[in-house]
Amino acid sequence: SYELTQPPSVSVSPGQTARITCIGDALPKQYASWYQQKPGQAPVLVIYKDNERPSGIPERISGSSSGTTVTLTISGVQAEDEADYYCQSADSNGPSVVFGGGTKLTVL
Amino acid sequence: QLQLQESGPGLVKPSETLSLTCTVSGGSITRSSYQWVWIRQPPGKGLEWIGGIYYTGTTYYTPSLKSRVTISVDMSKNQFSLKLTSVTAADTAVYYCARVISGYERSYYYYYMDVWGKGTTVTVSS
Repeated sequence: SYELTQPPSVSVSPGQTARITCIGDALPKQYASWYQQKPGQAPVLVIYKDNERPSGIPERISGSSSGTTVTLTISGVQAEDEADYYCQSADSNGPSVVFGGGTKLTVL
Repeated sequence: QLQLQESGPGLVKPSETLSLTCTVSGGSITRSSYQWVWIRQPPGKGLEWIGGIYYTGTTYYTPSLKSRVTISVDMSKNQFSLKLTSVTAADTAVYYCARVISGYERSYYYYYMDVWGKGTTVTVSS
């Protein structure tokens, strides 16, 4: 199996841009997804196939990919964006699924 | 709108078997374009994928749990289930079921969970 590495925490002030990275050796060959999880709630899919947004997810949440790194970007951060964010990818052999360790986004 | 709901005992004794069911409503579990998975989250920790099942009954599990896990599907009830044997305190977690969409695009593999249940807390304790 392989790993996805995320920073444990990111802090930004309201209105600023938050960027959360996820690094994995297999990411150049696989799509990644991102999930938002607020305390006491189930995760919610916010980005899939590196940069696609499900319906209902605001446009200020976006995803990008470059080599072994995928990035979740939240523009104009609001208090409601404070949550844990997890990246996830999968190998088609199995398939085998992995989550990153999660990043706690704090809105100052 | 598709909804998933986990159910099962909230307390399991050490060495016994944890059994959970996920009931799917608002859609059929037999659609071939989807898979169905279990994911857990120990208290204060991150998400851990347990395994999944196709509607055909083909299963796949994370290597660290493979010897103790069984996932099955009951198409007549639109449900799928998780059994985890020989549990210990380390299996205490919130357990989620979810629907998976997967496939290939431009030769790259995609796999993501688009609908999740609310989760159910399972505590392993005597």
